[in-house]
Amino acid sequence: DAGVIQSPRHEVTEMGQEVTLRCKPISGHDYLFWYRQTMMRGLELLIYFNNNVPIDDSGMPEDRFSAKMPNASFSTLKIQPSEPRDSAVYFCASSLRTGMYEQYFGPGTRLTVT
Amino acid sequence: GENVEQHPSTLSVQEGDSAVIKCTYSDSASNYFPWYKQELGKRPQLIIDIRSNVGEKKDQRIAVTLNKTAKHFSLHITETQPEDSAVYFCAANEGTSYDKVIFGPGTSLSVIP
Repeated sequence: DAGVIQSPRHEVTEMGQEVTLRCKPISGHDYLFWYRQTMMRGLELLIYFNNNVPIDDSGMPEDRFSAKMPNASFSTLKIQPSEPRDSAVYFCASSLRTGMYEQYFGPGTRLTVT
Repeated sequence: GENVEQHPSTLSVQEGDSAVIKCTYSDSASNYFPWYKQELGKRPQLIIDIRSNVGEKKDQRIAVTLNKTAKHFSLHITETQPEDSAVYFCAANEGTSYDKVIFGPGTSLSVIP
């Protein structure tokens, strides 16, 4: 398996634009997690899915953020409109069973909002 | 919810010495404690984990200890090597959901050759 795949790897956009980050989890993994990493706040869980269903979105910062998982092999994280404070590295991770097992992280998307 | 604290935030050791990173957690129902290593510019990767039914676990030069009574756990790296230089994150699962883990703020370890 190729591991967790994320695209794009880098995204530079202007404030106010819509940004869509994409993730393909490892085949057969039931859990998918979206994290945001910044120097100030560390590694924050934004939302996670179990069998394509959102379970906990309490980490989503505000209504500008939304996430979907239309099928077992694809998820998106959308920011609309984007703001400079959204600049961060966004990681997607997947896990075979519950979160009590290893999470396999993707390479991340480095987002810069100017 | 769960809160995980980690100390120190930075750690510098000479090659061959040992390194110890300590974490505390707040949720007494937590029962899963993974450690992730993140090299510069790379993704976090699991290096070792421990569950609450054991007090210690070893894997070559890495060991973790858990004290559930005191709600703290530690990572021990012996005979450090330059390739151990990275940011290390401890984490604990939320006792109410078990599905999600909360990460500590990280410890930046530098091993000086």
